[in-house]
Amino acid sequence: QSVLTQPPSASGTPGQRVTISCSGGSSNIGSNTANWYQQFPGEAPKLLIYRNIQRPSEVPDRFSGSKSGTSASLAINGVQSEDEADYYCAAWDDRLNGWVFGGGTKLTVL
Amino acid sequence: EVKLVESGGGLVKPGGSLRLSCAASGFTFNTYTMNWARQAPGKGLEWISLITSSSSYIYYADSVKGRFTIYRDNAKNSLYLQMNSLRVEDTAVYYCARDYFDPWGQGTLVTVSS
Repeated sequence: QSVLTQPPSASGTPGQRVTISCSGGSSNIGSNTANWYQQFPGEAPKLLIYRNIQRPSEVPDRFSGSKSGTSASLAINGVQSEDEADYYCAAWDDRLNGWVFGGGTKLTVL
Repeated sequence: EVKLVESGGGLVKPGGSLRLSCAASGFTFNTYTMNWARQAPGKGLEWISLITSSSSYIYYADSVKGRFTIYRDNAKNSLYLQMNSLRVEDTAVYYCARDYFDPWGQGTLVTVSS
């Protein structure tokens, strides 16, 4: 049981907007920033979004993040077939004194 | 290029020990907090330990507390994870990662089995 809750799966057709939610609590997302990671099968994860909304320069601008209260969201505007991957959210938890991850969301592009 | 390379994984019997290493390059290692995380086969990511730049603060996940020890050698640009009393459920790919997990190493597989 993950501290952060993500839907196990999400899907969309090419060009659609897809969003993935990440629900936490007052000790993690509620008081700290959220990050998002992308992981392809057999590969290490890669940072996608940090500090809720910041995007590393090499990440396409169709990826965006947001946060409201104790939840964060990842949006992909104009999803592409190469975006098929697992996506994880994470945040520091002040009560646990550690990082907590969501269970991951498998994105399928139909 | 910022790079992290893990090593030391392998097959170990329950109750055994293993030491993982993470060699860092391409950045000023002694100014960054470092983490270990793991991913069991077919499962999600799990953070297991953090160490600050000068080793002043160290944190562990409850699942490994008392069994695993994180430490670093800033002179060698290296991070380590000493794993004792290993259990079958510790089987996973172990990753080192900088700061807020950017970047991650390629991972090293630890298999605990009799």
